[in-house]
Amino acid sequence: AQSVTQLDSQVPVFEEAPVELRCNYSSSVSVYLFWYVQYPNQGLQLLLKYLSGSTLVKGINGFEAEFNKSQTSFHLRKPSVHISDTAEYFCAVSDLSFQKLVFGTGTRLLVSP
Amino acid sequence: DVKVTQSSRYLVKRTGEKVFLECVQDMDHENMFWYRQDPGLGLRLIYFSYDVKMKEKGDIPEGYSVSREKKERFSLILESASTNQTSMYLCASRLGGTDTQYFGPGTRLTVL
Repeated sequence: AQSVTQLDSQVPVFEEAPVELRCNYSSSVSVYLFWYVQYPNQGLQLLLKYLSGSTLVKGINGFEAEFNKSQTSFHLRKPSVHISDTAEYFCAVSDLSFQKLVFGTGTRLLVSP
Repeated sequence: DVKVTQSSRYLVKRTGEKVFLECVQDMDHENMFWYRQDPGLGLRLIYFSYDVKMKEKGDIPEGYSVSREKKERFSLILESASTNQTSMYLCASRLGGTDTQYFGPGTRLTVL
């Protein structure tokens, strides 16, 4: 079984500042990793994913994440945030069958002027 | 463009009522999922289906059932709604053999 830990429930940041949202996972088998974003009053949409290859993956809206197998982490970063990045961000893990996604508890990013 | 729709954005029901939440996708996806989202708990899988008339229990199936009579439609049923089922319900679909789930906008259900 897999599990995901997002330690920060809320991250406040000023516009144009950098941000990192932390994600750690646990699994006894190889996994794929995902970040989804949920804007206010909307469903989730895929931000980026790690399946294989380069451990640094780039997603939409200038976000990137780095897969670190030794630390079982997949932290999400953006060098300069915008007000429009205010949303809830979910880290998720899947086994290699993609049959099920296991989500973390989410991190609410609050960007203020 | 990928589209997953849910029948209602907001729903208010009374304890003991039978509740149907409908989800429709227009992408010919084999796999469909129902999650509930609660503050501090993230998304938890209730049921999923990998084909018509097939269903599998997720992590929290108690108090729920599902129906998938057609490929494009996946229904979540609360046989006798209770106040602890007040939540946001999200439907998703995925093409078989691929990695990305596509989500609907959600239904916020309040049980009084």
